[in-house]
Parts: sequence; C-alpha cells; structure tokens
Amino acid sequence: EVQLVESGGGLAQPGGSLGLSCEATGFTLGRYWMTWVRQAPAKGPEWVANINQDGSETYYVDSVRGRFTISRDNAKNSLYLQMNSLRADDTAMYYCARAPSARAVFGIVSENWFDTWGRGTLVTVSS
Amino acid sequence: EIVLTQSPGTLSLSPGERVTLSCRASQTVTSSFLAWYQQKAGQAPRLLIYGASTRAPGIPDRFSGSGSGTDFTLAISRLEPEDFAVYYCQQYGSSSPVTFGGGTKVEIK
Repeated sequence: EVQLVESGGGLAQPGGSLGLSCEATGFTLGRYWMTWVRQAPAKGPEWVANINQDGSETYYVDSVRGRFTISRDNAKNSLYLQMNSLRADDTAMYYCARAPSARAVFGIVSENWFDTWGRGTLVTVSS
Repeated sequence: EIVLTQSPGTLSLSPGERVTLSCRASQTVTSSFLAWYQQKAGQAPRLLIYGASTRAPGIPDRFSGSGSGTDFTLAISRLEPEDFAVYYCQQYGSSSPVTFGGGTKVEIK
C-alpha cells in the first residue's frame, strides 16, 4: 500500500525552528517529485514547496522562500521540511504529497497535482 | 497568481440528489490543468479528478469533471452518504504556481 506518514510537528515560538519528516512506503520515493502542502485552520490548502526526484531542484511559495528548506533522502525513503524564522501565519497542518506528473518548465513546476497525501502533522507557532 | 473562486460556499442536499460545484479561475488555466479533491473532517485531501476530467484510480463514476479555460465543474450524479465533505479545486498550469480554491462544503440537508 502506498503510504506517506509525517512527523515532527508541534509548538514553536515565533522566530523559532521546526523540522518535519515524511516517510514513504509502498513505492520508490526516488522516482517521484514530492511536495509539502499546508492548510491553516478552516482554510483551503496552500502549496509550500516541491523537490525533484534527485533533490537537485527545489521550488517554494514566495511566503516561505529563504525560511523553509525542502530536502530528501531517497535511500531512507524520506522527505524533509526544515522551517526557520517561524511566524504565526505558518500555523497549519502540514501534509507531504506525491506529485506523479510534475516537471519543471521555465522555472515553474508544471503538472503539479497530488495523488497521494499523508495524514499531516500540526505546526503551531505561538508565544 | 491564478485565483480560484468556488461557489457556492455551502450546499445542503439530500442523499440521492445530483450536485454540481463550480470553480472559476481569474485567468485561463493552461491545458485544463485543473484537479478536484475531496476532504472529510480530520482527513487529508483525496484526489478525485485531474486534467479537468480524468478520474483518479478508484474514484466512482458518479464523480465527473468538465470545463476549460476559466470555468470548471465537478458533478456528483447521485450523492451517497460518504460524499458529504468539502471539495477543493486546484490549478497546476505551467504559467503560475499551484493555487487552490476556497472550497465548497456539501452538507446533509
């Protein structure tokens, strides 16, 4: 069974850091683009970041660029999101997801739809 | 950035009814690169439709997607009890980063 399981969420202070992990099972992680998507309470989802199959290309939404870093370790079947300089508006459920058809086109990730999602990990930024 | 507007915000319906949900984009969505997701309370979104009209594996044929350009629709032919949820559209065209709509909640009347 194809499955994604996130971990690492919790409470952080404004300006603080958190690192999220996502373990993939049931498929070969290294064959796929992967993504992080977040969802603030009572809001629609928001794309956060993408990474290509070998980790050589990364893309971010403007609001997190320079603060968040997406990475992966295919040997460990794991995806990561390092979040620094956290703000209150980063409070959300964070999901990792698989992007089976994603590809880079002129600096933008195209065909970036998501066929498998984890259950999410909650990040709360508050003093 | 392409803004997606979903309407209505909430629909109150009975099992067995047909429903159509609207998703309107602020600009043309490239190549009908639009997906629909279903989300139940406390769960992750579930892919229903991609490419505007292609059902994801395992999705019942009572779900159908249509549209192009700036206007897209998700239809459910006969509501089953498990279909009461929030539905989101998402555009993933090559000219703009991914964006999602604000969602339409389908609730039991």
